[in-house]
Amino acid sequence: NAGVTQTPKFRILKIGQSMTLQCTQDMNHNYMYWYRQDPGMGLKLIYYSVGAGITDKGEVPNGYNVSRSTTEDFPLRLELAAPSQTSVYFCASSPTGTAITLSGNTIYFGEGSWLTVV
Amino acid sequence: GNSVTQMEGPVTLSEEAFLTINCTYTATGYPSLFWYVQYPGEGLQLLLKATKADDKGSNKGFEATYRKETTSFHLEKGSVQVSDSAVYFCALVNYGGSQGNLIFGKGTKLSVKP
Repeated sequence: NAGVTQTPKFRILKIGQSMTLQCTQDMNHNYMYWYRQDPGMGLKLIYYSVGAGITDKGEVPNGYNVSRSTTEDFPLRLELAAPSQTSVYFCASSPTGTAITLSGNTIYFGEGSWLTVV
Repeated sequence: GNSVTQMEGPVTLSEEAFLTINCTYTATGYPSLFWYVQYPGEGLQLLLKATKADDKGSNKGFEATYRKETTSFHLEKGSVQVSDSAVYFCALVNYGGSQGNLIFGKGTKLSVKP
């Protein structure tokens, strides 16, 4: 059971370049999320999706775009990379956004993507 | 708004020492509370959770009790091991809002020395 899979794991970008972080989950979860984690800080929500075709902004959406054409995939797009986007990015998924399961995780995280913009 | 405050790190302990990592929260309604652990080079993993006041979450020797009167959810372990070295995040989900996403604290790095 793969869970949440992110690629690439590491990437170095030049200022102004664009790239897409890929995220896929095989648990048929409706909710998917993208977080960023800056050094010494907690995770901040960039975008989230409640189902295929539906996305919404989180706390720090500027400079990013997302799409959700299928239940499984939730790619994150950086159009014009800036040094401020140097961070670790985590994709996550959960079965719903408004209910707690009585056992197991409520939200599953990928292993992270380390992005450096120089 | 909703927020989580946890003690600043890093915390350095010797093996078999007692661990407390403080976490307090601010939230409207009745949030659920979590501790996540992040081992070096890995993503976050749920360590334990509590969904209502006075609930105690426990896992792998770690415990935390949901204290509504003090708005706290402190993480404790009686005897830490070197393998417990990681970053620990306190988090809440408040389902009174429009969507339930996790609000994280800044994380506390724990280093356990042999």
